[in-house]
Amino acid sequence: SQTIHQWPATLVQPVGSPLSLECTVEGTSNPNLYWYRQAAGRGLQLLFYSVGIGQISSEVPQNLSASRPQDRQFILSSKKLLLSDSGFYLCACSGGLYNEQFFGPGTRLTVL
Amino acid sequence: KQEVTQIPAALSVPEGENLVLNCSFTDSAIYNLQWFRQDPGKGLTSLLLIQSSQREQTSGRLNASLDKSSGRSTLYIAASQPGDSATYLCAVQSNYQLIWGAGTKLIIKP
Repeated sequence: SQTIHQWPATLVQPVGSPLSLECTVEGTSNPNLYWYRQAAGRGLQLLFYSVGIGQISSEVPQNLSASRPQDRQFILSSKKLLLSDSGFYLCACSGGLYNEQFFGPGTRLTVL
Repeated sequence: KQEVTQIPAALSVPEGENLVLNCSFTDSAIYNLQWFRQDPGKGLTSLLLIQSSQREQTSGRLNASLDKSSGRSTLYIAASQPGDSATYLCAVQSNYQLIWGAGTKLIIKP
């Protein structure tokens, strides 16, 4: 079965600083990959998804970007963080016959 | 546009009770439906996936049903335990994306 790794687990960054969150997947090949954000007390917001290397779809216009340099690597980036970027960032993968989604442990980002 | 609603938003019951969480969706053209649980500060754990052609799925004390025509799913938890306390989320899949409900926060009192 697949395992999703995310790092770092927690991150505190000043406003205006860059961001790079990494997600890697083991135990599956050619997965669909997703980045979600969950603000405090709120639901899940889909930010990006990818169906293959170099293929990124953005769901919400923002100052974040995503890249997929390898089949099982998904990176979330920002050149300049905003206060509103604070939240819990979750990476997910899906695939197989039923396209069931599985989630990583998440990264808690606080922008000060 | 697909919308997913979960009722109730919060539920507190004594240990040992059987309980039902509800999920409704507006567009019956779904590929599948998943139930997840999320513990505070943690990622999501997939509990059950029901394909659009199925009526129910069971895993241990959990049973999820799906009625596509009425746009409803229920998650039944038997003999609840304090360890079942968490937020339960349902999501329906269309294309590559999941459309999420806001969740039900469940507290099981010892």
